[in-house]
Amino acid sequence: EPEVTQTPSHQVTQMGQEVILRCVPISNHLYFYWYRQILGQKVEFLVSFYNNEISEKSEIFDDQFSVERPDGSNFTLKIRSTKLEDSAMYFCASSDDNQGEQYFGPGTRLTVT
Amino acid sequence: GEDVEQSLFLSVREGDSSVINCTYTDSSSTYLYWYKQEPGAGLQLLTYIFSNMDMKQDQRLTVLLNKKDKHLSLRIADTQTGDSAIYFCAERTEYGNKLVFGAGTILRVKS
Repeated sequence: EPEVTQTPSHQVTQMGQEVILRCVPISNHLYFYWYRQILGQKVEFLVSFYNNEISEKSEIFDDQFSVERPDGSNFTLKIRSTKLEDSAMYFCASSDDNQGEQYFGPGTRLTVT
Repeated sequence: GEDVEQSLFLSVREGDSSVINCTYTDSSSTYLYWYKQEPGAGLQLLTYIFSNMDMKQDQRLTVLLNKKDKHLSLRIADTQTGDSAIYFCAERTEYGNKLVFGAGTILRVKS
């Protein structure tokens, strides 16, 4: 069964460093998403992406964040200068249409020290 | 704004039914979802219901939606130890495609 994959599973970085989290969505899906879950808190929407453009973003997704689909298979989230409060589990998701079910990857745990 | 609330913890005996409840605030919600998260794993889509439906059954899972009260429930029949996980309720509104999640309900199944 097709699934969303994410790498790495765990990333440790120092405050102020740039990180890139990688996702491979399900191959025929066209809509892509990033969510995050700070330990002990709710899963929060960050951004949605379609047709090489951001279609919706939350207040969390400020200028430190960017997303890219660099090729036909990968979808990346970049945090330019990490802060301690960026420590969280980051989930990628994809869907085949705007109203379709979103399928989530296993997540990348980001730890900022 | 949108908000989704769930009870934090539920403990049941193996073989009993589990009922996990969720309330939401946005009356324009179109789809409501249940996701399952096992330790160290991602979010697994279990089932969903469209807002014009009252009930949806899928094998051991029954979803009930009371749109008037903005209340959603997930019933798991014959609960097994493998059902132990965190269950998240999520809504999607008519406009936009982001999901708004509850905090999750920890289900513990005792053998």
